[in-house]
Amino acid sequence: DTEVTQTPKHLVMGMTNKKSLKCEQHMGHRAMYWYKQKAKKPPELMFVYSYEKLSINESVPSRFSPECPNSSLLNLHLHALQPEDSALYLCASSQGALGGARDTQYFGPGTRLTVL
Amino acid sequence: QKEVEQNSGPLSVPEGAIASLNCTYSDRGSQSFFWYRQYSGKSPELIMFIYSNGDKEDGRFTAQLNKASQYVSLLIRDSQPSDSATYLCAVLPGRTGNQFYFGTGTSLTVIP
Repeated sequence: DTEVTQTPKHLVMGMTNKKSLKCEQHMGHRAMYWYKQKAKKPPELMFVYSYEKLSINESVPSRFSPECPNSSLLNLHLHALQPEDSALYLCASSQGALGGARDTQYFGPGTRLTVL
Repeated sequence: QKEVEQNSGPLSVPEGAIASLNCTYSDRGSQSFFWYRQYSGKSPELIMFIYSNGDKEDGRFTAQLNKASQYVSLLIRDSQPSDSATYLCAVLPGRTGNQFYFGTGTSLTVIP
């Protein structure tokens, strides 16, 4: 089973709202990722958690706040977003930086976010 | 220089033909290479990974890796209209960490 789940599928929010995106995997993976993807562009890495510790933070604005409550769950808290933050937000997981096939990242279906 | 480069296309092939997608990378120490397929509005789906020089076949798909020339390619035989999608090349660089570098993707259209 290589399933990563994400909720919600779609989210519309105003610029003053606070919302959260959720991601879950039960593959025993120890690395989890948040990506942002705009139309016709590749995924853009935002955050990496490795063994529940934030290991990569790609200079993302503070209005995005990641949280990894345990090895299976990853949240992305959103506050005071801008219309340009509208995008597909993807969660992925992998076994970790172990080399070869174990580095394969499996993506969830994504959350389509619209900021009004 | 970008870490990973792909021709953005669009690439059009007739149904039943071979589609050839190419990717070059800059980090000579890169170890693992991945091809993802992404349909419009959907998330990337793993097609294949490869980490040894040579060819790797899986059904209609063949990945080819040439580390000396720093390129990786994906061949799709007997192309079907359902193969129409964007194909993303992802590279795990040789330095420590688990951050992928993605190419910009190649848009493939298979014409019935």
